[in-house]
Amino acid sequence: RKEVEQDPGPFNVPEGATVAFNCTYSNSASQSFFWYRQDCRKEPKLLMSVYSSGNEDGRFTAQLNRASQYISLLIRDSKLSDSATYLCVVIQGAQKLVFGQGTRLTINP
Amino acid sequence: DTGVSQDPRHKITKRGQNVTFRCDPISEHNRLYWYRQTLGQGPEFLTYFQNEAQLEKSRLLSDRFSAERPKGSFSTLEIQRTEQGDSAMYLCASSFTGEQFFGPGTRLTVL
Repeated sequence: RKEVEQDPGPFNVPEGATVAFNCTYSNSASQSFFWYRQDCRKEPKLLMSVYSSGNEDGRFTAQLNRASQYISLLIRDSKLSDSATYLCVVIQGAQKLVFGQGTRLTINP
Repeated sequence: DTGVSQDPRHKITKRGQNVTFRCDPISEHNRLYWYRQTLGQGPEFLTYFQNEAQLEKSRLLSDRFSAERPKGSFSTLEIQRTEQGDSAMYLCASSFTGEQFFGPGTRLTVL
């Protein structure tokens, strides 16, 4: 079983739609959680951290459910520029990032 | 540009050859990481340095792989006797205490 599991998609949604991704992690001792964004042939970039209380950054909302060991990302009013791969990330040990497979999202005009 | 830089950006080599990649982290970042990413997968951790000390190595890092960070600044990753399965994007990241910033990666193709 992978340490971080995501549905690879692809997700194809129309511009303006709301889209949600989930991922699950296996190590209950994990302490820090993130969503990264990766554009085609580019490096991953931090999108947002994920906290148990939930956090929002503009059109993006991230949520952590420790009991069920899953992390979610909600994108509202999606834009064409949101097309990318979204990587669920868990920190283990001394800042070692453990990535999920990534979920590919395409926003269609 | 004061971000993480990697060199070369692309490398094509024949099976059995040795290759070396370089990573220059953001100035004053004491932590440096190497990851490997294959097509359709997320990056996988390879190794981690704090200053010049290599503190953790993944089981993915076979004895053909070696990484160094001799002066606690730039780092090199060497792959000896390359195999076709080594074809991947090799990503370097650096951090001070928090967020890891990634470089553009070195894409390795082993023929």
